[in-house]
Amino acid sequence: TQLLEQSPQFLSIQEGENLTVYCNSSSVFSSLQWYRQEPGEGPVLLVTVVTGGEVKKLKRLTFQFGDARKDSSLHITAAQPGDTGLYLCAGAPIGDMRFGAGTRLTVKP
Amino acid sequence: DTAVSQTPKYLVTQMGNDKSIKCEQNLGHDTMYWYKQDSKKFLKIMFSYNNKELIINETVPNRFSPKSPDKAHLNLHINSLELGDSAVYFCASSQDSGGSPPKQYFGPGTRLTVT
Repeated sequence: TQLLEQSPQFLSIQEGENLTVYCNSSSVFSSLQWYRQEPGEGPVLLVTVVTGGEVKKLKRLTFQFGDARKDSSLHITAAQPGDTGLYLCAGAPIGDMRFGAGTRLTVKP
Repeated sequence: DTAVSQTPKYLVTQMGNDKSIKCEQNLGHDTMYWYKQDSKKFLKIMFSYNNKELIINETVPNRFSPKSPDKAHLNLHINSLELGDSAVYFCASSQDSGGSPPKQYFGPGTRLTVT
């Protein structure tokens, strides 16, 4: 089992739809990060959430850190084809960074 | 200007060969990392170097060895390549923030194919 479980593994939607992807763990994290990786590129950091219950917004993306700091969610409003990519959550419960397996999002025009 | 660069971008080689992947960062960061991303896109840390000291060494075979000639470079040497080594290898760097996990900047990746 992985330290960080992401769901769904794959998500294919039409442009304009809303979606939520999840990152869950049985461990407590001091912070969690979300990355987006496009095909053929390295991951790019989107946000870091630090405080339990924290909500951060990045344009149409809303990130939430669970109250118990064991889970996080990413909500995208009115998805666009440019949102297509692999979304990874990551955290360091005991010092070294661990990544989830990712959610592969495809937004069709 | 590229912040974290890797060479080569693609590497195709036969089993048993020895190969190296180079990584350079021009961000002045004090920590560099190597990650392996398998066919299922699972990103797993292999090594990290901080001020020329290995501070993380996951359960990777000793055929893999990181070499850091200076603070801006962390090269990955792989001996006796095996089919299972085929993956995309990412280099990353960060600046120690003294608390929360630092923001890591990733290179474009090196796709290694072992035949």
